[in-house]
Amino acid sequence: NAGVTQTPKFQVLKTGQSMTLQCAQDMNHNSMYWYRQDPGMGLRLIYYSASEGTTDKGEVPNGYNVSRLNKREFSLRLESAAPSQTSVYFCASRRDRARTENQPQHFGDGTRLSIL
Amino acid sequence: GNSVTQMEGPVTLSEEAFLTINCTYTATGYPSLFWYVQYPGEGLQLLLKATKADDKGSNKGFEATYRKETTSFHLEKGSVQVSDSAVYFCALVLLSGGYQKVTFGTGTKLQVIP
Repeated sequence: NAGVTQTPKFQVLKTGQSMTLQCAQDMNHNSMYWYRQDPGMGLRLIYYSASEGTTDKGEVPNGYNVSRLNKREFSLRLESAAPSQTSVYFCASRRDRARTENQPQHFGDGTRLSIL
Repeated sequence: GNSVTQMEGPVTLSEEAFLTINCTYTATGYPSLFWYVQYPGEGLQLLLKATKADDKGSNKGFEATYRKETTSFHLEKGSVQVSDSAVYFCALVLLSGGYQKVTFGTGTKLQVIP
């Protein structure tokens, strides 16, 4: 079982460049999430998709866009990268259509992104 | 709003020592409480959870009890191993507008030395 797969694992960009982070899950989960992890700040939600065809902003959406391409895939795009977007990005997915909050999210291994 | 406060790390212990990582929360509504663990180079994995007051979650020798009266969910283990070295995140989980809203603590790094 692959679970949640993120690509690439590492990337270095120059300020102003664009990039798409890819995420795919093979667990037939309904909801998918993008977080960023910064030192001393835990994980913060960027965007989420409660189901195929829907996306919504999270806590820190500025500078990002997302696409829920199909049920399996949820991509995160940086249109014009800035040094403040240097971070580790995690994708997560969850099975239920939010009938209960008890089921955990399943996380990928992350993409470490540096912007110079 | 919702928030989670964890003790700052790193916490350094010798193998077989007793572990406590403190976690307190503020929340509206009736949250579930989770502990996630992150091993180096990996994503977060669920360690244990509790869904209502006085519930005890347990897994791999770790335990945590949902204490509503003290708004706490402290993580404990009686005898840590080197393999427990990781970052531990306390999380408050609520349903919000059709999705699972998770508020994470800042994480506590645990280092266990032989």
